[in-house]
Amino acid sequence: DTAVSQTPKYLVTQMGNDKSIKCEQNLGHDTMYWYKQDSKKFLKIMFSYNNKELIINETVPNRFSPKSPDKAHLNLHINSLELGDSAVYFCASSQAGGRHYEQYFGPGTRLTVT
Amino acid sequence: GESVGLHLPTLSVQEGDNSIINCAYSNSASDYFIWYKQESGKGPQFIIDIRSNMDKRQGQRVTVLLNKTVKHLSLQIAATQPGDSAVYFCAEIRDSGGGADGLTFGKGTHLIIQP
Repeated sequence: DTAVSQTPKYLVTQMGNDKSIKCEQNLGHDTMYWYKQDSKKFLKIMFSYNNKELIINETVPNRFSPKSPDKAHLNLHINSLELGDSAVYFCASSQAGGRHYEQYFGPGTRLTVT
Repeated sequence: GESVGLHLPTLSVQEGDNSIINCAYSNSASDYFIWYKQESGKGPQFIIDIRSNMDKRQGQRVTVLLNKTVKHLSLQIAATQPGDSAVYFCAEIRDSGGGADGLTFGKGTHLIIQP
């Protein structure tokens, strides 16, 4: 059973398009995150949600819009895709509270914008 | 802003030897320091954490050392195995009390295990 799953695993699209990445966790966690990993493997937090409420919104272009329909899902919609959006996007989840630094990551979605 | 950084991008060790991966941090306000392992094609995986008021913590085959004087963090892996080959990230977090803080990651060290 996959704890944190993401779809699709690979996404190739052209500049200017709009795309979504879906994330689901079956761990019963209250908190979910989106991270971006660039070509140099640098990981950076983008958003965090706690019980469907947006907690963290780092300096991310407003073309990126997370949506959490329920505690188990956190989707990422990206409008007007740009070349610089090419990266691997990771969803993660954690228990709310003290050990929220122990985050469970999904397998990643490799986004390529051409 | 402040960030966590790593000394070496690649570390190659013989199978069975001990590995030491180092990390320098600059944010003295961090509450926890954490090590994650990322295997090729997978997401990062939690290994071990250490609270900022501790110096040492041991897990199964891994030990994390924290030197707050010089703002240095290390991960020691005993008797490395082929399965230890991965990129290792140190990370830090400041606990805002909201239970949803993001991790600030360092650049990663690629650990290669030679047979």
